[in-house]
Parts: sequence; C-alpha cells; structure tokens
Amino acid sequence: DSGVTQTPKHLITATGQRVTLRCSPRSGDLSVYWYQQSLDQGLQFLIQYYNGEERAKGNILERFSAQQFPDLHSELNLSSLELGDSALYFCASSVLGRVSETQYFGPGTRLLVL
Amino acid sequence: AQSVTQLGSHVSVSEGALVLLRCNYSSSVPPYLFWYVQYPNQGLQLLLKYTTGATLVKGINGFEAEFKKSETSFHLTKPSAHMSDAAEYFCAVTFDGSSNTGKLIFGQGTTLQVKP
Repeated sequence: DSGVTQTPKHLITATGQRVTLRCSPRSGDLSVYWYQQSLDQGLQFLIQYYNGEERAKGNILERFSAQQFPDLHSELNLSSLELGDSALYFCASSVLGRVSETQYFGPGTRLLVL
Repeated sequence: AQSVTQLGSHVSVSEGALVLLRCNYSSSVPPYLFWYVQYPNQGLQLLLKYTTGATLVKGINGFEAEFKKSETSFHLTKPSAHMSDAAEYFCAVTFDGSSNTGKLIFGQGTTLQVKP
C-alpha cells in the first residue's frame, strides 16, 4: 500500500459525458501528479501540482482539467468524453515534487467510455 | 527531446535464471533514472532509482541496475528469477531543468514472464 488513494476504482460512462477522478496523496506529500496509461500511448504524464499550484503540464487535452485543493487532495476532470479516453488514470505523490524524489502511485482509476 | 526506450516488450525466463531488462535513455542533461514494477490490477511500485553517486543501485526484491553514462543505459538485473517476479516493468527518467518538475517520462514497458 503506497498510501495514495484514488476513487473510484472503476468508472463506466458514455461518450460526451463528464467524470471526476479523485486522489488523496500520502500524508505529508505536497505534490500530486496525474498520469494516463493506455495500450496505444503507454504511460503519459498529464499534469503536476505542488501545494495547490500547477507546476507542470504534459500531454493533457483541453477537455481535461485538474486542481489541487487546500487539503492537498486533487481532482482530475474529464469532459466531452470520447472512446479514446478509455484508460487507466494514475495519481502519484511526492514530498516536494522535485526531480530526484520517488513518486508513490495510487492503484489507479480504470475509465471505460462506451 | 528526452526519451526512454525499453528493448523488448516481452521477456521470458525460466525460474532461477538471470533476469535482464534493458533500458536506454536519450538526454543532453544528466538524468535521474527509475525502475517501477506493475503487478496486474495494481499501481506502480518503485524498485530502485539512480540520482547521484554510486552507479550500481540495489533495489527491492533482489533487483539491481547500473547507470552507464557512456552507453546511456540503465539495465535492470536479478541473478535468479522467481515466479513472483512476473509483472510489467517500466523504466522512467526525469531531468534537471529550470522548472525543477518531477514529471516522469516512461518507457513502453517490458512484460516479464517466468516459466517454472
């Protein structure tokens, strides 16, 4: 158990819908990352937050947005969903979000868009 | 652009045999290198990492990796495979930069099969 929690574990929805994925980092970690894992793209970095502020952005679609709240939990919002958005979405956390730190991954949310 | 390449999407070994999973990176700046393991229906777990210092890094479950700058490689090894090692393995890299972010760039992954 990494100490990172993600809810829900599974999500099935239809095209055009909007969903919210939730992540709680390890106790004491200030930085949260979101990654997408799909068969065709592999594991891709989406976005990073540090203490409530966006720090880095990767290949995140405009239909996707995220935020980190004062209690440090984070939410990833996916809207206007398409079939291709079906994937496993991981949240990870680290203490200060620096390059040499270990990132601890949650169990993921598996999203299926029908 | 920085990238990570894992040679071999599938590796099969017999129980007790040497495990060798290959990882090469491309970067113009010093890298920080990681190996993660993913068991079915689970998240990623860190096996080991190289940041600075000793280039031979020992990790959990008997795994180790050696950073070879001249070869831009960070191959993962284990002397004797166990059935419980069957999983998917990911090599990942971050780099120092002005923004000092920790975003990981992952390789495509290697599925390790261990035969009895």
